[in-house]
Amino acid sequence: NAGVTQTPKFQVLKTGQSMTLQCAQDMNHEYMSWYRQDPGMGLRLIHYSVGAGITDQGEVPNGYNVSRSTTEDFPLRLLSAAPSQTSVYFCASSYDWAGASTGELFFGEGSRLTVL
Amino acid sequence: AQSVTQLDSQVPVFEEAPVELRCNYSSSVSVYLFWYVQYPNQGLQLLLKYLSGSTLVKGINGFEAEFNKSQTSFHLRKPSVHISDTAEYFCAVRESGGSNYKLTFGKGTLLTVNP
Repeated sequence: NAGVTQTPKFQVLKTGQSMTLQCAQDMNHEYMSWYRQDPGMGLRLIHYSVGAGITDQGEVPNGYNVSRSTTEDFPLRLLSAAPSQTSVYFCASSYDWAGASTGELFFGEGSRLTVL
Repeated sequence: AQSVTQLDSQVPVFEEAPVELRCNYSSSVSVYLFWYVQYPNQGLQLLLKYLSGSTLVKGINGFEAEFNKSQTSFHLRKPSVHISDTAEYFCAVRESGGSNYKLTFGKGTLLTVNP
């Protein structure tokens, strides 16, 4: 079972470059989200989606774009990378909004991004 | 707004010793509470949750937590830890009503189990 798959696992960027972190799930989950994890900060929600075509901002959305054209995929775009975006990024999904709201989140293994 | 405080950033213990990881929360309304575990180089997985009912909640791998409303706490316990329990543990909270369903995570507690 693949679950939630994130690519790439590691990436180094220069300031100002753009890139896309990919997230795919094969569980037919409606809810998908992106978090960033920084040392001593816990996890912070960047963007989320409750279904194809529907996205919304989380707690730290600035500098990131998302789209949800299919149920399976939820890419996170950095349009102009900054050193402050150096972090570990996690994609998480749940069968629906209710599942997400009761903590039933399934996480990917993370993507470690360094911006120089 | 809700918030979570994990009182210890690191907890070292010896194998087979008991452990308690402390979590306090702040919210003006009723809450749901969660503990997640993150093993090295992996994503988080749900360990246990409190939604309603019994205040003592049992989770996977022998962990349990007790919801204490008067002390606004949700401490995680295990009577005897194993080397394999070495991981980072995150407490999380969300409001139980309304449309604010977003989880707020604590900063994490690194549990290190030594032989």
